[in-house]
Amino acid sequence: AQRVTQPEKLLSVFKGAPVELKCNYSYSGSPELFWYVQYSRQRLQLLLRHISRESIKGFTADLNKGETSFHLKKPFAQEEDSAMYYCALTTDTGRRALTFGSGTRLQVQP
Amino acid sequence: DTAVSQTPKYLVTQMGNDKSIKCEQNLGHDTMYWYKQDSKKFLKIMFSYNNKELIINETVPNRFSPKSPDKAHLNLHINSLELGDSAVYFCASSHAGGNEQFFGPGTRLTVL
Repeated sequence: AQRVTQPEKLLSVFKGAPVELKCNYSYSGSPELFWYVQYSRQRLQLLLRHISRESIKGFTADLNKGETSFHLKKPFAQEEDSAMYYCALTTDTGRRALTFGSGTRLQVQP
Repeated sequence: DTAVSQTPKYLVTQMGNDKSIKCEQNLGHDTMYWYKQDSKKFLKIMFSYNNKELIINETVPNRFSPKSPDKAHLNLHINSLELGDSAVYFCASSHAGGNEQFFGPGTRLTVL
């Protein structure tokens, strides 16, 4: 069965500092990886997906199949980045449900 | 406003009661989901429907019964509520072959 691991429950950084939220996965096939974000009092929304290889709000994430990782990075954190971040995957079996990691709360301090 | 909506937003009830949570999407999606977020913020899939057909039924007690009257609606009925059912329940939808899921605002269920 597939699994997503986010080792940090809380990541606290100062504004302007680089951010890296870690995500590792285990799945024997070819997964699709996502980052979802939940800002305070808002619904969960898609931030990034690995197949699109784009940068959203300054965030990037690269799928490393050798290390089975999909870390989320941003060079300079902003206070508005404070939120709960979830790494998730779907499998290549056609089962479209997301398997989520346990989430990392990012706190960006002024 | 195109979105996924859920009602109610908050639900407080006694143990043993039966309750329902409704979900509607007007995005034209074929697939809908129910996720449960526990007190530690961990999100886990419960059910998935595609065109009113049950696709995924994770290891969920049979007190939980999803019902999809049409592809725009997926309701969740819970019988004999227990303390451990307290959580936030999220509905989501996507195109059948699509990757991005759109989430509802969540329903916070508290069982006393």
